[in-house]
Parts: sequence; C-alpha cells; structure tokens
Amino acid sequence: QVQLVESGGGVVQPGRSLRLSCAASGFSFSTYGMHWVRQAPGKGLEWVAFIWYDGGNKYFADSVKGRFTISRDNSKNTLFLQMNSLRAEDTAVYYCARGSYYEGPFDYWGQGTLVTVSS
Amino acid sequence: QSALTQPASVSGSPGQSITISCTGTSSDVGGYNYVSWYQRHPGKAPKVMIYEVSNRPSGVSDRFSGSKSGNTASLTISGLQAEDEADYYCSSYTGSSTWVFGGGTKLTVL
Repeated sequence: QVQLVESGGGVVQPGRSLRLSCAASGFSFSTYGMHWVRQAPGKGLEWVAFIWYDGGNKYFADSVKGRFTISRDNSKNTLFLQMNSLRAEDTAVYYCARGSYYEGPFDYWGQGTLVTVSS
Repeated sequence: QSALTQPASVSGSPGQSITISCTGTSSDVGGYNYVSWYQRHPGKAPKVMIYEVSNRPSGVSDRFSGSKSGNTASLTISGLQAEDEADYYCSSYTGSSTWVFGGGTKLTVL
C-alpha cells in the first residue's frame, strides 16, 4: 500500500535552516509529481511546493519562494524540502502528498512532521 | 495565491444534507475544473473525497457529491452520519503549476 513518512521536523530558531524528508513506498515514486503542504496552528492547509516526477521542474508558493527548495532522490524514493531563512510564520505541520496527475488531486498524504520556528 | 473562501463551520443532524461552499476567482475555481475536496479527521491525514469538481474516487460513499457554478464550488453530503464529522477543505489548481486551498470548514453532526 502507498505510504509516505515525513521526518526532520523540530524546533529551530528564526533565520536558521531545516531539511525535511519524505520516504515513499508502495508505488512507483519516480513516475509521480510530489507536493509539500503545510498547516499552521489553527489555520487551514497551505500548498507549499511541487516537483515534477523527474525533478525537472519545481514550483513554490509566493510565501516561501526564494527561501525553500524542493528536491527528490528517485533512487531512494525520497522527497526533500530544504527550508532556509525560517520565520515564525513557517511554524506548521508539513505534509508530503502525491499528485495523482499533474493538476491534482493530492491522492495520498503522509502523517506530517511539525516544524516550530521560535527563539 | 489568496486562499479560497469556505464557511468556518456547518452543522446538521443525522440523515440531513449539508452543503459546503468554496469561493474563489476566475483564476482558480472559475477557471479550471480541477477542484478537489478533502476530509480530515483529527490526527489523520487528509483524504480526497471529490476530484475534478464532481468525481468520486473509488471507495468514497455516493453520499458525497460536488458541483461548481462560476467561481464557487460546493460539496454536498447527504444522509449525514456521525462519522462525517470532520474538517473539510477545498482545493483548486490555479494554473502555472500552483494550487490553493480553502481555509477549511468544520462539520458538526448534531
């Protein structure tokens, strides 16, 4: 069965960096686009980033553009989110999600990893 | 990339029907038939209930239906059951390989 398991969350000071990982199994990882979605405390879901199946193209929400990068290692079935220059407003649970096909929907989600940006 | 607008909460009694609206713009909901709806129980990962405005994935009850008119999409749940109590989110493709979610609606089954 499809499984997505995020890791790498934690408490980090403003301005610092953090790298999240998402280990995928149960499907042909290299043939699907992948997303990161986050949910801040008491807020709704927010789409963060998308990467093509082959890593050839990457797209970001305006709120993270220039600070976050998305990448993948298809040989290890793993998705990454490199978060730099973190701000308090980046505090959220971060989910990786599979794109069923290019325009959506997000058909499988992980359980999420919590990132807290605080001094 | 402004969030889509959903009511914060809706409620209904078992057996009744409820509708959750999701309002966007011509750049997202109104411009594409790639609106999805997700159900989220506390502590669980979101589950897609509707995709492409009105399609149900295999295994989703036919009590769930979706529609769209102009810039507003809607999710209707008929024959409400206690297990339907959850948060519901809409999402739309916005073109240029970006997506947007709604703020979420908390459904209470009375």
